[in-house]
Amino acid sequence: QKEVEQNSGPLSVPEGAIASLNCTYSDRVSQSFFWYRQYSGKSPELIMSIYSNGDKEDGRFTAQLNKASQYVSLLIRDSQPSDSATYLCAVNSNTDKLIFGTGTRLQVFP
Amino acid sequence: DAGITQSPRHKVTETGTPVTLRCHQTENHRYMYWYRQDPGHGLRLIHYSYGVKDTDKGEVSDGYSVSRSKTEDFLLTLESATSSQTSVYFCAISGTSGGEGFFGPGTRLTVL
Repeated sequence: QKEVEQNSGPLSVPEGAIASLNCTYSDRVSQSFFWYRQYSGKSPELIMSIYSNGDKEDGRFTAQLNKASQYVSLLIRDSQPSDSATYLCAVNSNTDKLIFGTGTRLQVFP
Repeated sequence: DAGITQSPRHKVTETGTPVTLRCHQTENHRYMYWYRQDPGHGLRLIHYSYGVKDTDKGEVSDGYSVSRSKTEDFLLTLESATSSQTSVYFCAISGTSGGEGFFGPGTRLTVL
């Protein structure tokens, strides 16, 4: 079983819609959770971090964490074509390392 | 990519040759990481460092070695390159253990 799982997609949403990206993790002691955006041919870019249960909002992005159910999600409101990218979920379980999911490809069409 | 550079950015080499990739940071972060990224596998940790001369293995360390003699530099060496090591290699840095990681621009390595 993979430690961090994401649906590979592609997830296709129309411009202006809400995109919902999900991630599940296997280690119950995980404490830190991150979302990265990666455009094709570029390096991953940190867009959100979340450490406690609930929602965290930053502009059009909302990260949601539910430790009891072991999932973390990223909502993108008012999706734009420029949001089209691969979104990587990363989890830390009280070690020096982050474990990454394989990413979900998001396509926002006009 | 601010504060993190990788060199070279592209390299083509032949099977059996040694290759060294360099990661340089100006952020004075304690933790440095080397990942490889391949289609279908996502980002996989090769080696990481938690201080000068302090390194540890990741999940795909076979065939790779690292060195960190200064805070700002983390070197990844492929001792004898194989075609299976053709990949994109990313360096990342973090100021805290398991904390937010910031990535360099990547090195595309092709082993013929």
